[in-house]
Amino acid sequence: DVVMTQSPLSLPVTLGQSASISCRSSQSLVYSDGNTYLYWFQQRPGQSPRRLIYHVSKRDSGVPDRFSGSGSGTDFTLKISRVEADDVGVYYCMQGTYWPGTFGQGTKVEIK
Amino acid sequence: EVQLVESGGGLVQPGGSLRVSCAASGFTFSGDWMSWVRQAPGKGLEWVANINEDGSDKYYLDSVKGRFTISRDNAKNSLYLQMNSLRVEDTAVYYCARGGHRWADYWGQGTLVTVSS
Repeated sequence: DVVMTQSPLSLPVTLGQSASISCRSSQSLVYSDGNTYLYWFQQRPGQSPRRLIYHVSKRDSGVPDRFSGSGSGTDFTLKISRVEADDVGVYYCMQGTYWPGTFGQGTKVEIK
Repeated sequence: EVQLVESGGGLVQPGGSLRVSCAASGFTFSGDWMSWVRQAPGKGLEWVANINEDGSDKYYLDSVKGRFTISRDNAKNSLYLQMNSLRVEDTAVYYCARGGHRWADYWGQGTLVTVSS
């Protein structure tokens, strides 16, 4: 299975500052159709996962533009600009290029 | 509005069986792949199974092959996961999600399955 490695696993952030989460895959996530099936999910405490970003950098409907995704191949980043209290939770990267889809360990974002 | 509502979770003994369901609404259910993803208490996420639009194509996590069966009833807008020979390590919240592992945009609230004696 493809291993997804996130860092850091814990991320204390000051309100209004930016936060950045790294995700690395054990092999390239470029599929034969040219797409890169890399996603970012947010899981707030006590809630189910919510998809924020698909295909590396496309924001889902309703997701604030403070969230942005970037990267290619095996290295990807989620950036949260101007962190708000509502952003607290665990963030997961996920690859869907290969079966089974696999997730990173999760990065816990908390307010300092 | 897309809605996915799981049900059927509960406490079951090791070796037992359970079927969890997912009722879908707000989209054309028969036009989408569907998935089950689980999360053990306090742990990360793990993809369990996918099924294509008409149920003819299915994928399973290796550790559940031969024990779990994913199915769907497009007439009832429902997705199912039949779980047999349950193990303690199958204890988790089971989420249904719209789409296969290459999409999965909407997720339900989950149903807790606890395997314990």
